[in-house]
Amino acid sequence: DTGVSQDPRHKITKRGQNVTFRCDPISEHNRLYWYRQTLGQGPEFLTYFQNEAQLEKSRLLSDRFSAERPKGSFSTLEIQRTEQGDSAMYLCASSLTGTNYEQYFGPGTRLTVT
Amino acid sequence: DAKTTQPPSMDCAEGRAANLPCNHSTISGNEYVYWYRQIHSQGPQYIIHGLKNNETNEMASLIITEDRKSSTLILPHATLRDTAVYYCIVNAGGTSYGKLTFGQGTILTVHP
Repeated sequence: DTGVSQDPRHKITKRGQNVTFRCDPISEHNRLYWYRQTLGQGPEFLTYFQNEAQLEKSRLLSDRFSAERPKGSFSTLEIQRTEQGDSAMYLCASSLTGTNYEQYFGPGTRLTVT
Repeated sequence: DAKTTQPPSMDCAEGRAANLPCNHSTISGNEYVYWYRQIHSQGPQYIIHGLKNNETNEMASLIITEDRKSSTLILPHATLRDTAVYYCIVNAGGTSYGKLTFGQGTILTVHP
């Protein structure tokens, strides 16, 4: 079963460091999404891609955050100069155009900033 | 996007039906109702969606009131594996729009 995969699953970093997460969507899915989830809250939308084009970015995505999806396959989410408030679970999801309500989520990357 | 209100928690006995309510009184005509659930330490999982009519699939049934201001997700025979946080989401843009706005959801605990 080739579902959505994310790497790493856990990341501990010191404040001020840069981190990068990777998401591999389901191969035939052309939409890819990033969400962030803090403890006790539902996931919050960050951004999404249609193939390689980044179509929408949340106001939550500050200048320290950047996402890419080169060639419309895997995606990376980079956080520069991490802050303690960035500690969260970062979730990636993918879907087929036309059925974008049915998103398949990965297991997430848990980031802890010390 | 319309705001949703869900009870913070509910209990259900194993084998019984779990009925999870959602209020979306400000829903507009083009907004769909979606349900997702999130089992501990996993990503959310799509369950079902609907616009006006009641819907059923292999996981659950969705009952939407005639005025569309509320809905109920029904798990007909709850099992321990159904223990999860259930999210009711209302989004504009039809089924092709992908941004999901999650609230805090309902923690459903299924007891033996």
